[in-house]
Amino acid sequence: GAGVSQSPSNKVTEKGKDVELRCDPISGHTALYWYRQSLGQGLEFLIYFQGNSAPDKSGLPSDRFSAERTGGSVSTLTIQRTQQEDSAVYLCASSNHGASNTEAFFGQGTRLTVV
Amino acid sequence: AQKITQTQPGMFVQEKEAVTLDCTYDTSDPSYGLFWYKQPSSGEMIFLIYQGSYDQQNATEGRYSLNFQKARKSANLVISASQLGDSAMYFCAMRGPPWREYGNKLVFGAGTILRVKS
Repeated sequence: GAGVSQSPSNKVTEKGKDVELRCDPISGHTALYWYRQSLGQGLEFLIYFQGNSAPDKSGLPSDRFSAERTGGSVSTLTIQRTQQEDSAVYLCASSNHGASNTEAFFGQGTRLTVV
Repeated sequence: AQKITQTQPGMFVQEKEAVTLDCTYDTSDPSYGLFWYKQPSSGEMIFLIYQGSYDQQNATEGRYSLNFQKARKSANLVISASQLGDSAMYFCAMRGPPWREYGNKLVFGAGTILRVKS
């Protein structure tokens, strides 16, 4: 596609349920990022994939959070046993090559609300 | 580890005036890239401008320019002739060298909310 695509755009879930958020990066982009943004706040780094290398999971807030990237393309962020504090916008971004001079392109985000 | 600091939670500027948004960074790597993004109330992240650590000249893109002071480790964004549509959250970000494990992770500052007054 032309840009980074995220689905769903909005998700309301009950506390304790599992959710899956999907990210379709720009075709050919080797680097993929997940960030979390609470209302009016900055971007909290969650996880980073670069090519076939092991992902940088250092930003995942707990073991309820996991992510995978299949075939070097689509990525899924899974949150198990959701809590109200997980409510936020989850942003995905991709970039070409992962070199220091390439900007990242962002999707529109998934707004997650845990009730 | 890389770190980005934006010390201005919020800024006001009069329409048609220039405004500077501050950004300082910390890294031990000689090679890195600095980015500014704009996030309007719609939530989309819009790339504005890039500065490489080895670039000799300050980056410019239309009304946006980056005041890069390497020795001070600062990369301030200057917006000239502010417009009402410039009202948004602005994020400074940094990426390190690709040869360092996870070095080119993109790290963001806390952001600055800019409000342009008519």
